[in-house]
Amino acid sequence: GESVGLHLPTLSVQEGDNSIINCAYSNSASDYFIWYKQESGKGPQFIIDIRSNMDKRQGQRVTVLLNKTVKHLSLQIAATQPGDSAVYFCAEEGGGSNYKLTFGKGTLLTVNP
Amino acid sequence: KAGVTQTPRYLIKTRGQQVTLSCSPISGHRSVSWYQQTPGQGLQFLFEYFSETQRNKGNFPGRFSGRQFSNSRSEMNVSTLELGDSALYLCASSLATNPGDTQYFGPGTRLTVL
Repeated sequence: GESVGLHLPTLSVQEGDNSIINCAYSNSASDYFIWYKQESGKGPQFIIDIRSNMDKRQGQRVTVLLNKTVKHLSLQIAATQPGDSAVYFCAEEGGGSNYKLTFGKGTLLTVNP
Repeated sequence: KAGVTQTPRYLIKTRGQQVTLSCSPISGHRSVSWYQQTPGQGLQFLFEYFSETQRNKGNFPGRFSGRQFSNSRSEMNVSTLELGDSALYLCASSLATNPGDTQYFGPGTRLTVL
């Protein structure tokens, strides 16, 4: 069945370091993969997405990598800042007319000053 | 452009009662999706409405229902509340006219069932 899982539930980094958050998925039919950031008391905030026909996409300080061979997704955050501290979720969208998002369990990123 | 708004932000109910939550999407968005977030189960899809029609549905009991109005505002209703319904209920809006259209989330309604 469909599932999206995260390898690490928590990640602690020093300010200025690069962070890498990983995610595994099992639905080969998923067409879009999305990363969301959720701060305490807020709803998930869109960070970046990638379509299944791509293997890399860059944004401002963030890069998403997609490896369809091993069904793995990662989010790289460059020069991590204290404001990046949050829970990060990967999500997959089934494609076609299926706009349902299936979320992973989340990774708590803590940035130490 | 204003973001997704949800009301109320907090609710306390007792078992057996029913509750209605409201979501106003971003202007121009015709799709509204609802999600339940709990520490144990994470974020789970409830249903999606597009142009007043339920287009997708998750695996929740029939006590969970929703609707969408002609102005795209949406409500979800939970009847006969159970303790396990305590959760953060999130709605997300999207253009949803093309696959991959981004879903933007509101701040959520925190429901506590006593």
